[in-house]
Amino acid sequence: DAGVIQSPRHEVTEMGQEVTLRCKPISGHDYLFWYRQTMMRGLELLIYFNNNVPIDDSGMPEDRFSAKMPNASFSTLKIQPSEPRDSAVYFCATGQEGSPLHFGNGTRLTVT
Amino acid sequence: QKEVEQNSGPLSVPEGAIASLNCTYSDRGSQSFFWYRQYSGKSPELIMSIYSNGDKEDGRFTAQLNKASQYVSLLIRDSQPSDSATYLCAVNSWGKLQFGAGTQVVVTP
Repeated sequence: DAGVIQSPRHEVTEMGQEVTLRCKPISGHDYLFWYRQTMMRGLELLIYFNNNVPIDDSGMPEDRFSAKMPNASFSTLKIQPSEPRDSAVYFCATGQEGSPLHFGNGTRLTVT
Repeated sequence: QKEVEQNSGPLSVPEGAIASLNCTYSDRGSQSFFWYRQYSGKSPELIMSIYSNGDKEDGRFTAQLNKASQYVSLLIRDSQPSDSATYLCAVNSWGKLQFGAGTQVVVTP
């Protein structure tokens, strides 16, 4: 199994641009989580899905952030427009009910 | 109050000694508990999971859970320099997995 696959690994963009982060979960995992990690705030839960349905998006910072999971094999996290304070490492993690999550390698986002 | 709380450290531990990490959580209905290790620049990796009160041992690691006190701990015996990392406590409440801020552990030779 290739594990959770995230792309891109690094993204550098200018303020105001749209950013799309991608995640391919491990086959058979019905939970998918998006986290953001910074030195100041640690690992923050943004949103999670169960069976492709968003369950809790209370961690999404504001309307500039949106996430979708159109099928069991793919999820996106979009930021439009991006701002410098969005700079962070974004992790996708997947798992099954009650079981530990498996993390992708993360996307390091830098907004200048 | 944060839902999962940990001391941020750093926790300095001499090589060969025991490192003791603590975590408290606010949701009394939480069902499963995990410890992850994260090296700098890497993603978190699972080292222990615990689901019921008591102790669970795996090699040099022991996790302890006390649901009445809403407390989870991790002991690392015979600490090695390779154990130097940030340790994240994670708590699952009705499908939602939330993490503490992490405790940085530094093992000194």
